[in-house]
Amino acid sequence: DARVTQTPRHKVTEMGQEVTMRCQPILGHNTVFWYRQTMMQGLELLAYFRNRAPLDDSGMPKDRFSAEMPDATLATLKIQPSEPRDSAVYFCASGRGAGRDTQYFGPGTRLTVL
Amino acid sequence: SQQGEEDPQALSIQEGENATMNCSYKTSINNLQWYRQNSGRGLVHLILIRSNEREKHSGRLRVTLDTSKKSSSLLITASRAADTASYFCATDAVGYSGGGADGLTFGKGTHLIIQP
Repeated sequence: DARVTQTPRHKVTEMGQEVTMRCQPILGHNTVFWYRQTMMQGLELLAYFRNRAPLDDSGMPKDRFSAEMPDATLATLKIQPSEPRDSAVYFCASGRGAGRDTQYFGPGTRLTVL
Repeated sequence: SQQGEEDPQALSIQEGENATMNCSYKTSINNLQWYRQNSGRGLVHLILIRSNEREKHSGRLRVTLDTSKKSSSLLITASRAADTASYFCATDAVGYSGGGADGLTFGKGTHLIIQP
């Protein structure tokens, strides 16, 4: 039963610290997405990769966030420096084909920045 | 702003009853998808309906799409306690996503509670 995995599942950190979240997409999937979910804003797209190339990161605060895919089995989302307003659940999703096709979500990383 | 907007925001019904949720969107789409999210979990894909389809079934789920009204509905028949979750619609709206990339835009969801 192939699944998207994310680590860590929970992260509590202090303002100003660097946070790195990792995602392993489903083997064979060529699209990877990072989303942030909050009660106020709902689910927001932060970054979108296809075949490891970034296609869309317009939803990501560029001054502190960065997303990469060092290889086909690993996607990372970094926040440096972290701020309390970054507290949210961060989801990774992967899919096959176009971005408009079915997406398979990981369990999320719940980030709390104090 | 959100492309898809679900209605109602919250819905509470008795077990065994049918639950209907609606989604409205703003621009033309290639497909519309419904996802479920249980508390503390990731989203799970339920069903995809293409713009040239009007109705689709999957088990106890029935989805309709009216492109002239830019709306969709999700019907869950004979609801069960395990159906308690948030339900999201997602649309692709080519040209709507930033940078022209063909991603999905999610609504804020309908929170469904099934009372035993």
